[in-house]
Amino acid sequence: DQQVKQNSPSLSVQEGRISILNCDYTNSMFDYFLWYKKYPAEGPTFLISISSIKDKNEDGRFTVFLNKSAKHLSLHIVPSQPGDSAVYFCAAANSGYALNFGKGTSLLVTP
Amino acid sequence: EAGVVQSPRYKIIEKKQPVAFWCNPISGHNTLYWYRQNLGQGPELLIRYENEEAVDDSQLPKDRFSAERLKGVDSTLKIQPAELGDSAVYLCASSFSVLASGTDTQYFGPGTRLTVL
Repeated sequence: DQQVKQNSPSLSVQEGRISILNCDYTNSMFDYFLWYKKYPAEGPTFLISISSIKDKNEDGRFTVFLNKSAKHLSLHIVPSQPGDSAVYFCAAANSGYALNFGKGTSLLVTP
Repeated sequence: EAGVVQSPRYKIIEKKQPVAFWCNPISGHNTLYWYRQNLGQGPELLIRYENEEAVDDSQLPKDRFSAERLKGVDSTLKIQPAELGDSAVYLCASSFSVLASGTDTQYFGPGTRLTVL
């Protein structure tokens, strides 16, 4: 049973524009959310996180928004750069339990 | 600072053979995780260690998989015997857990890509 869903397998964005990656979850007990970025032949790299007590967290070009009532979070990348091209995984956890990952969204940023 | 180290990076074996993966976590990280990532999927937890204790192994297929983390640092994951369906990337991650809450940021190694023929 997939508790974290990334419904867009891929996304293509022009360089300089905003990339918006979406993630939905079903378990209302999740209280910590993370985004990881993965390049081919490498392990996932931590990007940004947010706890359930917040609705926004920003780190440079990356901002994560959390809408608890909708059980939805999104990652905004502004401006997008070609080096951002990778697979992005959304993950969620309930305190004391393991991370649950989505299937990933492949982002392509074109020049 | 060195990241999570895993070896080997790639392994090809025939079915029914044994295989082992090794992981060295980030220095000072007390929590270690083994994940399996199938093609087109996100990582799925196999086992989590707090120091040398396995605190969550509910998803580990115990009939053929085993893991150990002696001395609470390095860890090995073993499959014996391997089956065709075990072909996947095996990822190791570590974190520093103050409250052992499971909400600590996990840092991943590059993974071992296993192919079972």
